[in-house]
Amino acid sequence: AQTIHQWPVAEIKAVGSPLSLGCTIKGKSSPNLYWYWQATGGTLQQLFYSITVGQVESVVQLNLSASRPKDDQFILSTEKLLLSHSGFYLCAWSLTGGARAEQFFGPGTRLTVL
Amino acid sequence: GDQVEQSPSALSLHEGTSSALRCNFTTTTRSVQWFRQNSRGSLINLFYLASGTKENGRLKSAFDSKELYSTLHIRDAQLEDSGTYFCAAEDMGYKLTFGTGTSLLVDP
Repeated sequence: AQTIHQWPVAEIKAVGSPLSLGCTIKGKSSPNLYWYWQATGGTLQQLFYSITVGQVESVVQLNLSASRPKDDQFILSTEKLLLSHSGFYLCAWSLTGGARAEQFFGPGTRLTVL
Repeated sequence: GDQVEQSPSALSLHEGTSSALRCNFTTTTRSVQWFRQNSRGSLINLFYLASGTKENGRLKSAFDSKELYSTLHIRDAQLEDSGTYFCAAEDMGYKLTFGTGTSLLVDP
């Protein structure tokens, strides 16, 4: 069975500090991977997607970047956090092939920027 | 940009009653997903539809790709159905656009 793990579970960071959030998928070969952000009380917004190692597409510009260093790993990062980066970050995966594909979400990382 | 209009934004139901949520899409939508988000923030997959209807227990969903809308019916609501429900529309690429959510409270 496939599992999706996100780390850390929660993070409190200072404005201007760097950030790195991680996501790992186990039990699925070459999945499509996605990053989402959710403001407190708000809806989810897709940030990035990746269909293969080393290739990442940006959907929304939020002064964040993403990388896919391994087939099963997706990293979200920034060198300088803003207050507006606070929220809930979710990683998701779907099957490859370009066909219609259901997305499955990880448990999320709650980020507070002070 | 692409928008997903979800209604109602909040809903209160007594146990045992039924209701429906609706999402309207502004552009061509390849498929729709419905999720429930619990208090911890976890998103639980309820339905994935490319067309037609699906039913799972007390939940039933329909997607009309031509008329650009989807519905989620909740029958015989139970306390554990409480949470925030989201629909999400998949475009022709890899983008999933979420609705604004429906906060559902089921009380005894």
